[in-house]
Formats: sequence, C-alpha cells, structure tokens
Amino acid sequence: DAKTTQPNSMESNEEEPVHLPCNHSTISGTDYIHWYRQLPSQGPEYVIHGLTSNVNNRMASLAIAEDRKSSTLILHRATLRDAAVYYCILRVYNQGGKLIFGQGTELSVKP
Amino acid sequence: EAGVAQSPRYKIIEKRQSVAFWCNPISGHATLYWYQQILGQGPKLLIQFQNNGVVDDSQLPKDRFSAERLKGVDSTLKIQPAKLEDSAVYLCASSSPGGMNTEAFFGQGTRLTVV
Repeated sequence: DAKTTQPNSMESNEEEPVHLPCNHSTISGTDYIHWYRQLPSQGPEYVIHGLTSNVNNRMASLAIAEDRKSSTLILHRATLRDAAVYYCILRVYNQGGKLIFGQGTELSVKP
Repeated sequence: EAGVAQSPRYKIIEKRQSVAFWCNPISGHATLYWYQQILGQGPKLLIQFQNNGVVDDSQLPKDRFSAERLKGVDSTLKIQPAKLEDSAVYLCASSSPGGMNTEAFFGQGTRLTVV
C-alpha cells in the first residue's frame, strides 16, 4: 500500500497559521493526495485533495511540492475546533483508489 | 444532502456472540467502504465495494467477518463469533463514481465493545 509519513503530533496557537507536512516519496503520476481529519468521537471528514497543483478551499490550502514527493496542509487561522487528527492519504490508481489511513498527525490548538 | 447512516451507534456483546452493523450510503454513491478503528490508531480498511461487487477485501478476517452489499445500496458487516480484540469503532464510508478525484463521506461509526 502507498506510504505516507507524518509527524505524530503538532501544536499550534489559536488564530495562527498551521502547516502540517506529509512525505509520500513513492507517489506515482496518477496518485491523488487526499487529506482528512478526525475530530474526537467522530468519523473522518474530508478536508482537501489535489494531484499536481496547489489547491484552496474554504477549509484549507494544499501545497504540493514540484516533485510531488511531499505536501503541506495549511490551515490559515487555527481555531480550537481544528484540534483533530489529520491524515494524509494517497489514493492509488492501480489499487482501486482505496483510502489507506496511516497514524496521522494529532493537532492540538492552544487558546 | 443526507449523510452516511450507520446503526447501531453502540453495541456491547460477549465474546463468541454474533453482531451485525448496517450502513446506508449517500444516494448514488457506487463505492462503499468498511473500516475498523481501534482506539489510538488510524482507520483500517476492511472491505471496499463498487456497486455490489467487492474491489478489495484483503484485510478482512474472513474466518469471522463477512460483508455484503445487496442491490448495490445498503451494506451489512457481520462478525461471528466475536473476539475481545474486535472491540473497535466500525466506520462506513461512501463516495461517488468519480474515482480518485472525489471525496469520501464517513458515517459516525458503530462502537463495538466485546466483553
């Protein structure tokens, strides 16, 4: 299965930007980079995804390195409600596009 | 738009008993996933359906777990007999037929406790 590497935990202050890194050195040209987050006692929630270009939506931005071997999820102004586990996932074309979760990064936000 | 519905929310059973979980995906979503999430770990994919066919069940413990998706809509996941190590949250997710360029939607999950 396609492998991603994320830090186990990160801390942020409220209303400051947060940059969550992810390494995916085995990525191939047809693999999409997806980010999900999981708040306590809830199912995972979609955040953003991209293929090659940087992406923005109402929740976050996704910056993808030129060689696609790493990406960064950017939360522009962290709030207490952003405290969650963030998962970086590769959706692999020749594996039926299945979503394989790793351990994720646990983000804590301090007031 | 209604989300992914799962039931029950909680279930407590004794080891060696049987249990079944039900999932109703978002209307029109051809792909359905079942995940097992043990406390402190990321979700583990058990099985993936495309309509009523199985795409991947390589991580499903087939000696005790079974899943079906009749008519390509609702799905059930069964455990028979349950073991203590099956205590986990069972998550169902669905996505539209757009492939990898689409998002998956998750239900709230069923928390199973085996005693």
